[in-house]
Amino acid sequence: EVQLVESGGGLVQPGRSLKLSCAASGFTFSNYYMAWVRQAPKKGLEWVATISTSGSRTYYPDSVKGRFTISRDNAKSSLYLQMNSLKSEDTATYYCARKANWESYFDYWGQGVMVTVSS
Amino acid sequence: DIRMTQSPASLSASLGETVNIECLASEDIYSDLAWYQQKPGKSPQLLIYNANSLQNGVPSRFSGSGSGTQYSLKINSLQSEDVATYFCQQYNNYPLWTFGGGTKLELK
Repeated sequence: EVQLVESGGGLVQPGRSLKLSCAASGFTFSNYYMAWVRQAPKKGLEWVATISTSGSRTYYPDSVKGRFTISRDNAKSSLYLQMNSLKSEDTATYYCARKANWESYFDYWGQGVMVTVSS
Repeated sequence: DIRMTQSPASLSASLGETVNIECLASEDIYSDLAWYQQKPGKSPQLLIYNANSLQNGVPSRFSGSGSGTQYSLKINSLQSEDVATYFCQQYNNYPLWTFGGGTKLELK
């Protein structure tokens, strides 16, 4: 059974940093692109970052480019999101998601972790 | 970026009814469209991909259709467990994924 379990969320002050983790199991992690998608309270979904199987390619929307860094450790079947210079508008639930092979939709999602940016 | 506009933003329907949710893309996305269901307090789950392909394990009362810029999700014979928010997502403009704003479905 595919499982994605996020951790590392919490309350952080504006301008500070936070690192999220996602532990994957139930599939060969190194064979899949992975992504982070966030959802602000009572709002829609926003794609945040994607990483290739080897980690050599990463992609970000303009809203987080230069502040967020996605990475992975295939030996540990783990995905990470380093978030720097956090803003109040980064407050959201962050989901780890698996990109389907050969297609570009997300076929599995984690349960999410809440990040609150506030002074 | 490709903009995805969903309608309606919310709807109320009775058990057993048929429900339709629309998703309009700002440009042709060549059926690179997925639908997700998000139940209250839960993470999104994939329902439909490639506009009309049912994900494994999803009940057959769910179906997707459309092409070009216009797509729809149909739920036949609405069940209580279908109460959720539904999102469309385009993946034609890979890797710049974008989602629709969501449609909140409630029971009447």
